Amino acid sequence: ELKVEQNPLFLSMQEGKNYTIYCNYSTTSDRLYWYRQDPGKSLESLFVLLSNGAVKQEGRLMASLDTKARLSTLHITAAVHDLSATYFCAVEGRSQGGSEKLVFGKGMKLTVNP
Amino acid sequence: DADVTQTPRNRITKTGKRIMLECSQTKGHDRMYWYRQDPGLGLRLIYYSFDVKDINKGEISDGYSVSRQAQAKFSLSLESAIPNQTALYFCATSDRSRDLSGYTFGSGTRLTVV
Repeated sequence: ELKVEQNPLFLSMQEGKNYTIYCNYSTTSDRLYWYRQDPGKSLESLFVLLSNGAVKQEGRLMASLDTKARLSTLHITAAVHDLSATYFCAVEGRSQGGSEKLVFGKGMKLTVNP
Repeated sequence: DADVTQTPRNRITKTGKRIMLECSQTKGHDRMYWYRQDPGLGLRLIYYSFDVKDINKGEISDGYSVSRQAQAKFSLSLESAIPNQTALYFCATSDRSRDLSGYTFGSGTRLTVV
């Protein structure tokens, strides 16, 4: 059974600082997604990582995927208050019947303080 | 108009009542999903459907049923609502390739069972 773990689950950081958050998963997969969620809102797609070694950057966020280590990282550079949100990673795995399904981590709540 | 539309946006219902949450999409995707979100637990898969004649249980299907009325419509029913089904419910869609767009989420339905 595919399990997805995010670390840390809560992060409070100062504006201007850098930080890396982690997403580990338990079974083989080569598709990983990062989403952002603001309070009471839907999920906004940030990154789609489709292969080993994939690296994508958007603004102050950079995501990478290591399928051999079953690990993705989301690096925050020079944080700003607008990045405050909950960040989810989700991994596509296969059910017992062989069909793909998306399994989510518990999410990391990020607070960026002035 | 939103690509994935959920109705209602908010609903308060009494224990024991039957309730239906509806989802429609204009993305032309063949795959549709229902997730529930609870604080600190991430999103958990309730049911998913890869086409009109294909319905699959997710990890927490007990107490729920679904209907795929058309490629664009996927409804979730709570046959007899109970308080621990109070949650934020999301519908999502994807297509077979999933390479570029990944999964698209609706705005969510906040359900409260009293």
